[in-house]
Amino acid sequence: AQTVTQSQPEMSVQEAETVTLSCTYDTSESDYYLFWYKQPPSRQMILVIRQEAYKQQNATENRFSVNFQKAAKSFSLKISDSQLGDAAMYFCASNTGNQFYFGTGTSLTVIP
Amino acid sequence: EAGVAQSPRYKIIEKRQSVAFWCNPISGHATLYWYQQILGQGPKLLIQFQNNGVVDDSQLPKDRFSAERLKGVDSTLKIQPAKLEDSAVYLCASSLTSGSPQQYFGPGTRLTVT
Repeated sequence: AQTVTQSQPEMSVQEAETVTLSCTYDTSESDYYLFWYKQPPSRQMILVIRQEAYKQQNATENRFSVNFQKAAKSFSLKISDSQLGDAAMYFCASNTGNQFYFGTGTSLTVIP
Repeated sequence: EAGVAQSPRYKIIEKRQSVAFWCNPISGHATLYWYQQILGQGPKLLIQFQNNGVVDDSQLPKDRFSAERLKGVDSTLKIQPAKLEDSAVYLCASSLTSGSPQQYFGPGTRLTVT
């Protein structure tokens, strides 16, 4: 089974600043996907960004980018120009075949 | 495109009572997942369906939890009898197939057992 570890239960960032959320994972598979999901207080889980393990290039989606270090099994999320609407729980997740594994989440607070 | 629908959004019951949750996945999505998310934790997979068949129910407490997806579309998750530790948010998600790398989540049902 895969494990996903998020070592930062809580993080905070000033509005307009940059913050990085950490995630490590453990898998013996060679083909897998990694995700960051955002879960605002309303609870709807929303996909933020996705990375295919076979791609060396780091995924980016507007203000969100990842630092994927395959050898180190590390998958961090960088949020640039943080906005108040970015405040939420962020979950790192991995997928191999039909199995999804989630970390315990990082609660992000954005300070005006 | 309509998203994953779940009902009810909130439910409060007493321990030993029964409760049922409903999920309607995105149209055309063959795979449906039920997750349990306890406060402060990440979602934990309870059961996964591919059409109307069960792919994985290894973490479903089968003595009290049951789920079905009879026509391969919508699904119900039942708890009978409920325990205090079942208090959680129950999330439903769907994906095109079991091998799809992306799943879409519903808004969840918050269950409180008193």
